[in-house]
Amino acid sequence: DAKTTQPPSMDCAEGRAANLPCNHSTISGNEYVYWYRQIHSQGPQYIIHGLKNNETNEMASLIITEDRKSSTLILPHATLRDTAVYYCIVRVAGGYSTLTFGKGTMLLVSP
Amino acid sequence: GAVVSQHPSRVICKSGTSVKIECRSLDFQATTMFWYRQFPKQSLMLMATSNEGSKATYEQGVEKDKFLINHASLTLSTLTVTSAHPEDSSFYICSARDRASGTGTQYFGPGTRLLVL
Repeated sequence: DAKTTQPPSMDCAEGRAANLPCNHSTISGNEYVYWYRQIHSQGPQYIIHGLKNNETNEMASLIITEDRKSSTLILPHATLRDTAVYYCIVRVAGGYSTLTFGKGTMLLVSP
Repeated sequence: GAVVSQHPSRVICKSGTSVKIECRSLDFQATTMFWYRQFPKQSLMLMATSNEGSKATYEQGVEKDKFLINHASLTLSTLTVTSAHPEDSSFYICSARDRASGTGTQYFGPGTRLLVL
Protein backbone atom coordinates (compact mmCIF):
# COMPACT_ATOMS: atom_id res chain seq x y z
CA ASP A 1 0.00 0.00 0.00
CA ALA A 2 1.13 3.53 -0.73
CA LYS A 3 2.65 5.62 2.04
CA THR A 4 0.99 8.76 3.35
CA THR A 5 2.44 11.94 4.84
CA GLN A 6 0.55 14.07 7.35
CA PRO A 7 1.55 17.02 9.51
CA PRO A 8 2.18 15.87 13.10
CA SER A 9 -0.16 18.40 14.65
CA MET A 10 -2.71 21.09 13.87
CA ASP A 11 -4.77 23.54 15.87
CA CYS A 12 -8.30 24.71 15.17
CA ALA A 13 -10.69 27.06 16.90
CA GLU A 14 -14.01 25.65 17.98
CA GLY A 15 -16.71 26.32 15.39
CA ARG A 16 -14.25 26.83 12.56
CA ALA A 17 -13.54 24.40 9.77
CA ALA A 18 -10.64 22.01 10.29
CA ASN A 19 -8.80 21.12 7.09
CA LEU A 20 -6.44 18.17 7.52
CA PRO A 21 -4.08 17.51 4.61
CA CYS A 22 -2.60 14.22 3.48
CA ASN A 23 -0.05 13.48 0.78
CA HIS A 24 -0.10 10.13 -0.98
CA SER A 25 1.95 10.76 -4.11
CA THR A 26 2.59 7.06 -4.82
CA ILE A 27 -1.05 6.02 -4.69
CA SER A 28 -2.09 3.38 -7.21
CA GLY A 29 -5.19 3.43 -9.35
CA ASN A 30 -6.99 0.81 -7.29
CA GLU A 31 -6.18 2.27 -3.88
CA TYR A 32 -8.72 4.11 -1.80
CA VAL A 33 -8.04 6.89 0.68
CA TYR A 34 -9.43 6.15 4.14
CA TRP A 35 -9.66 8.47 7.13
CA TYR A 36 -9.95 7.32 10.70
CA ARG A 37 -9.59 9.17 13.97
CA GLN A 38 -8.64 8.04 17.43
CA ILE A 39 -9.80 9.91 20.46
CA HIS A 40 -7.58 9.39 23.48
CA SER A 41 -7.82 5.88 24.97
CA GLN A 42 -10.42 4.72 22.46
CA GLY A 43 -10.37 2.55 19.35
CA PRO A 44 -10.12 4.24 15.95
CA GLN A 45 -13.34 5.56 14.46
CA TYR A 46 -14.06 5.31 10.75
CA ILE A 47 -14.75 8.70 9.20
CA ILE A 48 -14.88 8.49 5.43
CA HIS A 49 -13.19 7.03 2.38
CA GLY A 50 -12.99 7.75 -1.33
CA LEU A 51 -11.39 6.70 -4.58
CA LYS A 52 -11.29 9.80 -6.78
CA ASN A 53 -14.51 11.71 -6.34
CA ASN A 54 -15.10 14.03 -3.44
CA GLU A 55 -17.16 12.45 -0.71
CA THR A 56 -19.32 13.84 2.09
CA ASN A 57 -21.10 12.24 4.98
CA GLU A 58 -22.51 13.36 8.29
CA MET A 59 -19.07 13.58 9.84
CA ALA A 60 -16.84 15.14 7.24
CA SER A 61 -15.98 15.87 3.63
CA LEU A 62 -13.12 14.34 1.71
CA ILE A 63 -11.56 16.30 -1.11
CA ILE A 64 -9.21 14.35 -3.40
CA THR A 65 -7.10 16.19 -5.94
CA GLU A 66 -7.55 15.33 -9.59
CA ASP A 67 -4.17 13.59 -9.77
CA ARG A 68 -5.07 11.76 -6.53
CA LYS A 69 -1.68 12.55 -5.02
CA SER A 70 -3.17 14.36 -2.06
CA SER A 71 -6.41 14.79 -0.18
CA THR A 72 -7.96 16.96 2.50
CA LEU A 73 -10.34 15.93 5.24
CA ILE A 74 -12.68 18.75 6.20
CA LEU A 75 -14.55 18.95 9.48
CA PRO A 76 -16.89 21.85 8.68
CA HIS A 77 -17.58 23.03 12.23
CA ALA A 78 -15.03 21.61 14.63
CA THR A 79 -16.05 20.98 18.23
CA LEU A 80 -13.96 20.17 21.28
CA ARG A 81 -14.98 16.52 20.86
CA ASP A 82 -13.18 16.45 17.51
CA THR A 83 -9.84 16.66 19.30
CA ALA A 84 -8.14 13.43 18.25
CA VAL A 85 -5.39 11.87 16.16
CA TYR A 86 -6.50 11.68 12.54
CA TYR A 87 -5.09 8.97 10.31
CA CYS A 88 -5.02 9.07 6.53
CA ILE A 89 -4.52 5.56 5.12
CA VAL A 90 -4.28 4.31 1.58
CA ARG A 91 -5.24 0.75 0.80
CA VAL A 92 -6.57 -1.45 -1.93
CA ALA A 93 -10.28 -1.97 -1.45
CA GLY A 94 -11.58 -5.43 -0.65
CA GLY A 95 -9.34 -8.43 -0.86
CA TYR A 96 -7.13 -9.13 2.11
CA SER A 97 -5.27 -5.85 2.37
CA THR A 98 -5.04 -4.37 5.84
CA LEU A 99 -4.93 -0.90 7.31
CA THR A 100 -1.43 0.29 8.14
CA PHE A 101 -1.41 3.16 10.59
CA GLY A 102 1.19 5.90 10.46
CA LYS A 103 1.62 8.60 13.07
CA GLY A 104 -1.35 10.69 11.94
CA THR A 105 -2.16 14.31 12.75
CA MET A 106 -2.98 15.35 16.28
CA LEU A 107 -5.81 17.88 15.91
CA LEU A 108 -6.38 20.10 18.91
CA VAL A 109 -9.65 22.02 18.91
CA SER A 110 -9.61 24.91 21.34
CA PRO A 111 -12.42 27.09 22.72
CA GLY B 1 -22.93 2.73 11.66
CA ALA B 2 -21.29 -0.64 12.16
CA VAL B 3 -20.53 -1.44 15.79
CA VAL B 4 -17.73 -3.58 17.16
CA SER B 5 -17.60 -4.41 20.85
CA GLN B 6 -14.77 -5.68 23.00
CA HIS B 7 -14.81 -7.32 26.39
CA PRO B 8 -13.38 -6.65 28.85
CA SER B 9 -12.57 -2.96 28.47
CA ARG B 10 -9.72 -3.27 30.94
CA VAL B 11 -8.09 -6.12 32.79
CA ILE B 12 -5.39 -6.46 35.40
CA CYS B 13 -3.74 -9.82 35.82
CA LYS B 14 -0.76 -11.42 37.49
CA SER B 15 2.31 -12.39 35.54
CA GLY B 16 2.05 -15.93 34.20
CA THR B 17 -1.71 -16.02 33.87
CA SER B 18 -3.72 -16.04 30.64
CA VAL B 19 -6.20 -13.42 29.54
CA LYS B 20 -8.94 -13.75 26.93
CA ILE B 21 -10.31 -10.77 25.05
CA GLU B 22 -13.52 -11.03 23.03
CA CYS B 23 -14.34 -9.04 19.92
CA ARG B 24 -17.82 -9.00 18.46
CA SER B 25 -19.35 -7.38 15.39
CA LEU B 26 -22.81 -6.44 16.64
CA ASP B 27 -24.74 -5.51 13.53
CA PHE B 28 -22.78 -6.98 10.66
CA GLN B 29 -20.97 -10.13 9.65
CA ALA B 30 -17.21 -10.12 9.51
CA THR B 31 -15.38 -12.79 7.58
CA THR B 32 -12.13 -11.09 8.51
CA MET B 33 -11.09 -9.67 11.86
CA PHE B 34 -7.86 -8.02 12.88
CA TRP B 35 -6.02 -7.60 16.15
CA TYR B 36 -3.87 -4.56 16.82
CA ARG B 37 -1.70 -3.52 19.73
CA GLN B 38 -0.87 0.02 20.74
CA PHE B 39 1.80 1.04 23.21
CA PRO B 40 1.71 4.49 24.87
CA LYS B 41 2.30 7.37 22.47
CA GLN B 42 2.71 5.01 19.54
CA SER B 43 0.51 4.15 16.61
CA LEU B 44 -1.47 0.95 16.16
CA MET B 45 0.51 -2.10 15.11
CA LEU B 46 -1.19 -5.01 13.41
CA MET B 47 -0.65 -8.27 15.24
CA ALA B 48 -2.68 -10.74 13.23
CA THR B 49 -5.44 -11.23 10.72
CA SER B 50 -8.04 -13.92 11.19
CA ASN B 51 -10.56 -15.29 8.76
CA GLU B 52 -13.64 -17.10 9.98
CA GLY B 53 -13.06 -20.81 10.24
CA SER B 54 -9.36 -20.73 9.43
CA LYS B 55 -6.07 -20.15 11.18
CA ALA B 56 -4.91 -16.64 11.85
CA THR B 57 -2.05 -15.03 9.97
CA TYR B 58 0.45 -13.38 12.29
CA GLU B 59 2.67 -10.41 11.53
CA GLN B 60 6.41 -10.80 11.76
CA GLY B 61 7.62 -10.79 15.33
CA VAL B 62 4.27 -11.76 16.87
CA GLU B 63 4.39 -15.13 18.61
CA LYS B 64 1.44 -17.24 17.53
CA ASP B 65 1.79 -19.55 20.51
CA LYS B 66 1.60 -16.63 22.89
CA PHE B 67 -1.25 -14.76 21.25
CA LEU B 68 -3.90 -17.33 20.43
CA ILE B 69 -6.60 -16.17 18.07
CA ASN B 70 -9.88 -17.95 17.44
CA HIS B 71 -12.42 -16.76 14.88
CA ALA B 72 -15.15 -19.35 15.22
CA SER B 73 -18.07 -17.38 13.83
CA LEU B 74 -18.84 -14.44 11.56
CA THR B 75 -19.38 -12.19 14.56
CA LEU B 76 -16.86 -13.32 17.16
CA SER B 77 -13.10 -13.45 17.45
CA THR B 78 -11.08 -13.98 20.60
CA LEU B 79 -7.49 -13.15 21.49
CA THR B 80 -5.90 -15.05 24.35
CA VAL B 81 -2.67 -13.73 25.78
CA THR B 82 -1.05 -16.80 27.30
CA SER B 83 1.41 -16.64 30.18
CA ALA B 84 1.21 -12.87 30.22
CA HIS B 85 4.22 -10.84 31.31
CA PRO B 86 4.54 -7.15 32.17
CA GLU B 87 5.88 -6.38 28.70
CA ASP B 88 2.54 -7.58 27.29
CA SER B 89 0.82 -4.67 29.02
CA SER B 90 -0.72 -2.67 26.21
CA PHE B 91 -3.91 -1.46 24.55
CA TYR B 92 -5.36 -4.24 22.40
CA ILE B 93 -7.81 -3.25 19.69
CA CYS B 94 -9.79 -5.48 17.39
CA SER B 95 -11.21 -4.58 14.02
CA ALA B 96 -13.76 -6.25 11.80
CA ARG B 97 -14.22 -5.97 8.07
CA ASP B 98 -17.82 -5.61 6.99
CA ARG B 99 -18.60 -8.53 4.73
CA ALA B 100 -21.32 -6.57 2.97
CA SER B 101 -19.15 -3.55 2.28
CA GLY B 102 -17.95 -3.50 -1.29
CA THR B 103 -14.74 -1.79 -0.31
CA GLY B 104 -14.15 -3.84 2.82
CA THR B 105 -14.35 -1.00 5.32
CA GLN B 106 -12.93 -1.91 8.71
CA TYR B 107 -14.57 -0.92 11.96
CA PHE B 108 -12.79 -0.91 15.28
CA GLY B 109 -13.70 -1.92 18.78
CA PRO B 110 -13.19 0.38 21.78
CA GLY B 111 -10.06 -1.45 22.87
CA THR B 112 -8.98 -3.47 25.89
CA ARG B 113 -6.36 -2.13 28.23
CA LEU B 114 -4.26 -4.93 29.67
CA LEU B 115 -2.03 -4.43 32.68
CA VAL B 116 0.15 -7.34 33.75
CA LEU B 117 1.62 -7.06 37.23
